[in-house]
Amino acid sequence: EVQLVESGGGLVQPGGSLRLSCAASGFTFSRHWMSWLRQAPGKGPEWVAYIAKDGTPKYYLDSVEGRFVISRDNARDSLSLQMNSLRPDDTAVYYCARDPDGSSKVDHWGQGTPVIVSS
Amino acid sequence: DVVMTQSPLSLPVTLGQPASISCRSSRSVVFIDGKAYLSWFHQRPGQSPRRLIYEASERDSGVPDRFSGSGSGSDFTLKISRVEAEDVGVYYCMQGTHWPLTFGQGTRLEIK
Repeated sequence: EVQLVESGGGLVQPGGSLRLSCAASGFTFSRHWMSWLRQAPGKGPEWVAYIAKDGTPKYYLDSVEGRFVISRDNARDSLSLQMNSLRPDDTAVYYCARDPDGSSKVDHWGQGTPVIVSS
Repeated sequence: DVVMTQSPLSLPVTLGQPASISCRSSRSVVFIDGKAYLSWFHQRPGQSPRRLIYEASERDSGVPDRFSGSGSGSDFTLKISRVEAEDVGVYYCMQGTHWPLTFGQGTRLEIK
């Protein structure tokens, strides 16, 4: 069974940093592209970042480009999102998700980790 | 960015009756390989989204056959043949053809 478990969320002040992690199991992690998505309170999902199987290339939502960095450790079946210069509009539940085949982009999602950016 | 527009935004349905949700994209989501990378997700309150349909009409494993997807180009539909109580929640379409990936606003299905 595919499992994705996010951690690392919390309350952070504007301008601060946070690092999210996602532990994957139940599938061969190194064979799949992976994404981070987010969902602000009462809103629909929004894709944030995407990383290839071996770590390159990476794609980012324009509003996070230069502030967020997606990375992966295939030896540890782990995905990360380093978030810097956080803003109040980054407040959301952050999900990691798997791309099943390199084409349809998203199938399984984790349970999410909340990030609140507030002073 | 490709804008995904869903309708209706709210869908009250009687148990056992059919339901239909429309999703239109601001440009075609057919990729050069001829496939439309259009997915449908269902999200129950407090849960993460679950994919129901991919490539516009392919049902995911374990998804009841009362769910079906259709459409091509920039016009897609999700149909539920007979709504059950467990179908309540919000439905989202998502295009995976063009960067950035984009979602519709969501359609909230409730039981009348």
